[in-house]
Amino acid sequence: GDSVTQMEGPVTLSEEAFLTINCTYTATGYPSLFWYVQYPGEGLQLLLKATKADDKGSNKGFEATYRKETTSFHLEKGSVQVSDSAVYFCALANFGNEKLTFGTGTRLTIIP
Amino acid sequence: SAVISQKPSRDICQRGTSLTIQCQVDSQVTMMFWYRQQPGQSLTLIATANQGSEATYESGFVIDKFPISRPNLTFSTLTVSNMSPEDSSIYLCSVGTSFGPGTRLTVL
Repeated sequence: GDSVTQMEGPVTLSEEAFLTINCTYTATGYPSLFWYVQYPGEGLQLLLKATKADDKGSNKGFEATYRKETTSFHLEKGSVQVSDSAVYFCALANFGNEKLTFGTGTRLTIIP
Repeated sequence: SAVISQKPSRDICQRGTSLTIQCQVDSQVTMMFWYRQQPGQSLTLIATANQGSEATYESGFVIDKFPISRPNLTFSTLTVSNMSPEDSSIYLCSVGTSFGPGTRLTVL
């Protein structure tokens, strides 16, 4: 079945550092890929998505590129802020349906 | 994207009891999804709620434990039955890529 493997956390970075959170997937067909963010005490929010190979999703300074050849969708941000502290989830949806398969989540803490 | 509300936002329940969680969407949708997020864990799909037919459950989840209703195209309920402390989780309703705020359940 489909699966998503995410970089183990927690990750702690200083403010203005470069962020990469790795995500790889296993799926038949051509899934859509997503990054979700869960801020402390809040619900799950869609951060960005990509629906086909070589698409780049971007939002709030975060980017991720759908790499079919490496089955990856790594999340990057050039300069993180304290307000980016949250748990980040990589997810996929396959066969055109809306059922999501999630990775384990990566807790990110940014220190001033 | 859809706006999704859930009630209750949180509850503390005694073991052996049942809790029904409500999910309301601001537009008509064909499929609604229920997920569980156990403490410190990722999200796992419980079932797909289809209007006019029985819910479709994922492996490891059964109707007797998690009965679901879908009376119309904007509303669904999930019941957590005969609860035990292991059911303590956040339960989330989803439509497409949007999620409700979740219901935080603690079972004593």
